[in-house]
Amino acid sequence: EAGVAQSPRYKIIEKRQSVAFWCNPISGHATLYWYQQILGQGPKLLIQFQNNGVVDDSQLPKDRFSAERLKGVDSTLKIQPAKLEDSAVYLCASSLGDNSNEQFFGPGTRLTVL
Amino acid sequence: AQSVTQLDSHVSVSEGTPVLLRCNYSSSYSPSLFWYVQHPNKGLQLLLKYTSAATLVKGINGFEAEFKKSETSFHLTKPSAHMSDAAEYFCVVTLTDSWGKLQFGAGTQVVVTP
Repeated sequence: EAGVAQSPRYKIIEKRQSVAFWCNPISGHATLYWYQQILGQGPKLLIQFQNNGVVDDSQLPKDRFSAERLKGVDSTLKIQPAKLEDSAVYLCASSLGDNSNEQFFGPGTRLTVL
Repeated sequence: AQSVTQLDSHVSVSEGTPVLLRCNYSSSYSPSLFWYVQHPNKGLQLLLKYTSAATLVKGINGFEAEFKKSETSFHLTKPSAHMSDAAEYFCVVTLTDSWGKLQFGAGTQVVVTP
């Protein structure tokens, strides 16, 4: 079974530039999550989709971050404009959406903002 | 509100000796608890989960954890450490009525010495 795919794996940009990350969840998984993991901390949920609808985006800085999940499969997370404090690993995860709560994580995208 | 506290940010063990990673949780309800492992440059992997069945939970790679409600603890153990166990470990709680939203601890970095 193929896992969660993310690209790119690494990205370096300057502050005020824009960046986008892509995630392809496991086939058949209805729920998709984006997490931000700052160095030395545990992942923090940014946004959660159920199919193509947003379930929770309470921790998403909506003035600069946006995310979409068109057709309920792939998802993109965008930052515009980036700040220094956005340097982190961005993790995508997916789950069946049942009550098992088991989430499967992708390898992440490491973003460095200079 | 639910949260987890990992009591050690770093743990160093010798190969072949026991591993103990400590986690305390705070929850108003019976929580679902997890341990995830993160190897360098790899995605988070589920080690084991507790969902109100048996209090002693066995996971992959010889790890197990015991849910102790009286102590609000969910410590992770392994009888004999292997070099491949060097990684970061996260204790995680599911937030109540949260569509599977996970609250991560800050993580424990495990170093295994020969």
